[in-house]
Amino acid sequence: DAGVTQSPTHLIKTRGQHVTLRCSPISGHKSVSWYQQVLGQGPQFIFQYYEKEERGRGNFPDRFSARQFPNYSSELNVNALLLGDSALYLCASSLRGNEQFFGPGTRLTVL
Amino acid sequence: DQQVKQNSPSLSVQEGRISILNCDYTNSMFDYFLWYKKYPAEGPTFLISISSIKDKNEDGRFTVFLNKSAKHLSLHIVPSQPGDSAVYFCAASPGSYQLTFGKGTKLSVIP
Repeated sequence: DAGVTQSPTHLIKTRGQHVTLRCSPISGHKSVSWYQQVLGQGPQFIFQYYEKEERGRGNFPDRFSARQFPNYSSELNVNALLLGDSALYLCASSLRGNEQFFGPGTRLTVL
Repeated sequence: DQQVKQNSPSLSVQEGRISILNCDYTNSMFDYFLWYKKYPAEGPTFLISISSIKDKNEDGRFTVFLNKSAKHLSLHIVPSQPGDSAVYFCAASPGSYQLTFGKGTKLSVIP
């Protein structure tokens, strides 16, 4: 079975630009969560969606937004990019409860 | 304010010996705990979890112990193998799908 997939793998943007990251969950998983991991830190929770509804939001500015589609895939959008947004963005899906399965991540570099 | 703390940034262990990775938490609302392993350029891989109603959970070479009164959990790997060399993250959840991660411990298993 395919695991969580994310695209693109790597991305380079300049300050002020906008970026869209994509995630496809494991088949049958209805919940998708997004995390940001900066170097030397653990992943930090950004959003969680279940059945296309936002269930939770972490401590991130309104420049960050997300949505989930009817097929349970998800997009994370970041507007007005800052240098500090450079990070590995991880998507995780889950079937039940707290066991979340992560994708390989998208490495975003903001210049 | 770090709610999940992994105070050892790194740990070196001889192949065949036991690896013990520690994690402390401060939020009494956490009731589910997970350990993830992460290789460079990959997303975190789920290893093992434990609910707060238990104090021990085993899966092959991996055992997680939970001491609720001390707000402490540990991951034991026996016997350690060179392929176990990775960064290990402790994560906790208040039952809401939102995971809070520690900063990770880099385990090096020396052949």
